[in-house]
Amino acid sequence: EIVLTQSPGTLSLSPGERATLSCRASQSVSSSYLAWYQQKPGQAPRLLIYGAASRATGIPDRFSGSGSGTDFTLTISRLEPEDFAVYYCQQYGNSLWTFGQGTKVEIK
Amino acid sequence: EVRLVESGGGLVQPGGSLRLSCAASGFTFSPYWMSWVRQSPGKGLEWVANLKGDGSEKNYVDSVKGRFTISRDNAKNSLYLQMDSLRAEDTAVYHCARVRIVGVTTTTEYYYYMDVWGKGTTVTVSS
Repeated sequence: EIVLTQSPGTLSLSPGERATLSCRASQSVSSSYLAWYQQKPGQAPRLLIYGAASRATGIPDRFSGSGSGTDFTLTISRLEPEDFAVYYCQQYGNSLWTFGQGTKVEIK
Repeated sequence: EVRLVESGGGLVQPGGSLRLSCAASGFTFSPYWMSWVRQSPGKGLEWVANLKGDGSEKNYVDSVKGRFTISRDNAKNSLYLQMDSLRAEDTAVYHCARVRIVGVTTTTEYYYYMDVWGKGTTVTVSS
């Protein structure tokens, strides 16, 4: 089973700042199988990025994904008030799905 | 509007059973793989099971194998999760999600992701 480790656990930033979230896999992951989700309290997860770098429909271009192999990054170029949430990376492999433990982006 | 709505959650004693349902609307249900994903209180997301559109293939996380059964009724646009021998650690919000498997242009690869999620139904296992 591939384990995804996200860092940091919590990111304290101010609106307008840049957020950089990391997702590291225990073994190499196909980029096409790597996705990022945003979740706010009491809400369902929302797809942000698929294929490591492709934005989902309706996602603002301040969200971008990059990376390959075992290291992937989600970047929010300028934080808006609605971006403060928990972010999860996810991978698919061998008919199984795994998620990272999440990074909380909180208002500083 | 594409929508998934879960139901069937509740309070159940350890060792008991519960059947969750997920009603799909706004899209043609039958071609899609579907998944169940859970979130324990204050914790992250954990994939539980998935099922191919025609019901011919299914997969489970190790912790629920032999206890949970995923199924679907395409005529009713519905996904189900039968949960037996429930344990305290199964306490969670259970979300259903639509799985997308999309070909990557100019390659033989496919994108895999979950693009539509329900808000979830809460399962509490406690005596």
